[in-house]
Order: sequence, then structure tokens, then C-alpha cells
Amino acid sequence: AQKITQTQPGMFVQEKEAVTLDCTYDTSDPSYGLFWYKQPSSGEMIFLIYQGSYDQQNATEGRYSLNFQKARKSANLVISASQLGDSAMYFCAMREGPGANSKLTFGKGITLSVRP
Amino acid sequence: AAGVIQSPRHLIKEKRETATLKCYPIPRHDTVYWYQQGPGQDPQFLISFYEKMQSDKGSIPDRFSAQQFSDYHSELNMSSLELGDSALYFCASSLRAGWKGYTFGSGTRLTVV
Repeated sequence: AQKITQTQPGMFVQEKEAVTLDCTYDTSDPSYGLFWYKQPSSGEMIFLIYQGSYDQQNATEGRYSLNFQKARKSANLVISASQLGDSAMYFCAMREGPGANSKLTFGKGITLSVRP
Repeated sequence: AAGVIQSPRHLIKEKRETATLKCYPIPRHDTVYWYQQGPGQDPQFLISFYEKMQSDKGSIPDRFSAQQFSDYHSELNMSSLELGDSALYFCASSLRAGWKGYTFGSGTRLTVV
């Protein structure tokens, strides 16, 4: 089974509007972490936000917030006030286990295009 | 702040040649990870090292080998290159104690012709 599922093939959003990028995950490990990364066309992998499985509150980092619904195993990324520079590929990823030196498993990614 | 340094940034090799990719983790980070991202694909985990010992292994071909040296830098050696090895290769590093996440390098784009 896929550990990270990102089913939206591509998303479009108007500049200054909010957008939600979906991510569902599958793990039996009670300790895990969920990440979102942005990959612009230049290729670098930019960390956006992190949510630990035991975190009581949803993570927020500036314009990024993570809508963490543990029972539904979803970790959707919300980008508020979209900017043209937000156009990129977005990957959801999961680390299973307490994190000491556990690898990341990535989803297939979602392409976001911001329209002026 | 120092980041993860990967070299070279771009590499063009012919089929059946060998390639060596280098990764210099953030100072004091003790774990290094290698990922391969094919065109239009998600990154796939290849291998990781903790304190210079291999700690986990993913879908790394037998033609590839890697190691972490005493100064914590890591090298990914790729032999008998195939067209399908053309990809973006990422290195990431993290600190085991007081783990705060992973830092990715800018990647090495390998093109096999």
C-alpha cells in the first residue's frame, strides 16, 4: 500500500487566495512525522512545515499551516494568500518511527500553479 | 548558516561510465541520506549512514555504492551507468540527538547519454 497518497494531479489558484493541497498517509507506527516540501523548477527541496504524530496542535509556519486529522490519517497543507512564487511542485513526506535516523517516504507530489 | 553542500551540481556521463557524487552535511550532523529523483517522479530513498556506518538501505542498485568518511562527508559511487540513472540526486543530513528535521542539499543533476 502507498504510504503517502497525493491524488490531486495539478492545482490552480488565483493570486492572493488560499489553497489546500491534500495528503493522506498510512502507517501502523504510533510515532511518525509528516512533512511538506516545495520543489520549484530549479529543483531544490525546500522544507515548509512539520507535524509530529503526538503534536496536539496543528503546525503553522507563516503562510503555511497543516490541517492534521489523525483519525482520518490526513495532513493537508493550506497556503494562505498565494503568491506567484508559490508555483511549484509540493511533496508530502512521512518519517516513521521516533526519528533518530529514519528515512523519509515521499508522495507523488502535486503541481501548484498560481494565476495572476 | 551552513547548508548541505553537494558537488558537482551537474554531471554528464556516457553509458557504462562511472560517476561519483559528493555530499558535505551540515557541521555536527551525524546522519546522511541519499535520494534519487527521476524526471517527473518523487524522490526515492537509496541509502543512509549514521556515524559512518550504513544505517538503512532502500532501492539502491547493486551498481551503486556509498560510504561516509571520517569527516562525515559522503560519496555515492555509480558504475556501469545506464540511461535510466539520469536523475536528480539529493543528499540530506540530520542530527540524531535532538532531532529537528532534515536539511536537503541542492542536488546533483546527473545526465547519462
